[in-house]
Amino acid sequence: AQSVTQPDIHITVSEGASLELRCNYSYGATPYLFWYVQSPGQGLQLLLKYFSGDTLVQGIKGFEAEFKRSQSSFNLRKPSVHWSDAAEYFCAVGAIDGGATNKLIFGTGTLLAVQP
Amino acid sequence: DTAVSQTPKYLVTQMGNDKSIKCEQNLGHDTMYWYKQDSKKFLKIMFSYNNKELIINETVPNRFSPKSPDKAHLNLHINSLELGDSAVYFCASSPPARGAEAFFGQGTRLTVV
Repeated sequence: AQSVTQPDIHITVSEGASLELRCNYSYGATPYLFWYVQSPGQGLQLLLKYFSGDTLVQGIKGFEAEFKRSQSSFNLRKPSVHWSDAAEYFCAVGAIDGGATNKLIFGTGTLLAVQP
Repeated sequence: DTAVSQTPKYLVTQMGNDKSIKCEQNLGHDTMYWYKQDSKKFLKIMFSYNNKELIINETVPNRFSPKSPDKAHLNLHINSLELGDSAVYFCASSPPARGAEAFFGQGTRLTVV
């Protein structure tokens, strides 16, 4: 069955430090992978996505993620965190079942806190 | 212009009541969804519609009835509300052939008291 695991429930980093959020997936075919961010009281904003091609993808707000098929991972990185990056981050896999039976399967999220 | 908008943003109601949440998207997408985020922030799909046709019903109680009057609108009606229905409900839409990439609304926080 398709699933997404985010091993870290809560991460705290200092402002200006680098960040890596982990994501592992289980999916039988080539996955469509996404990272979303949710600020308090807000909806989900797409940070970046991987469909095919270059395994290092760039997103908004200075984020990037690397798809590693051998490790079934799609970790999110940022070289220097800003206080405004404090939010909940969700990794998701697009479960495609042909036709229009598409849906996102989400991980449990990682809450990022940023220390001044 | 807001791409996916849902109303209301907050909804507080008593057990047993019936309530509706409305969603509209102006992105021209054929596929729309309802996702539920529980108190632990876990997100799970409830329904998907493609061009007004129900595609996914993810074992949601039949007290929940989605309705899509046209492909730009997907409403969610909930009958006989229960305490356990308290959650944030997100509407979303997807363009075709994009791996379920979803554009989300701001969410409706439903509190049942």
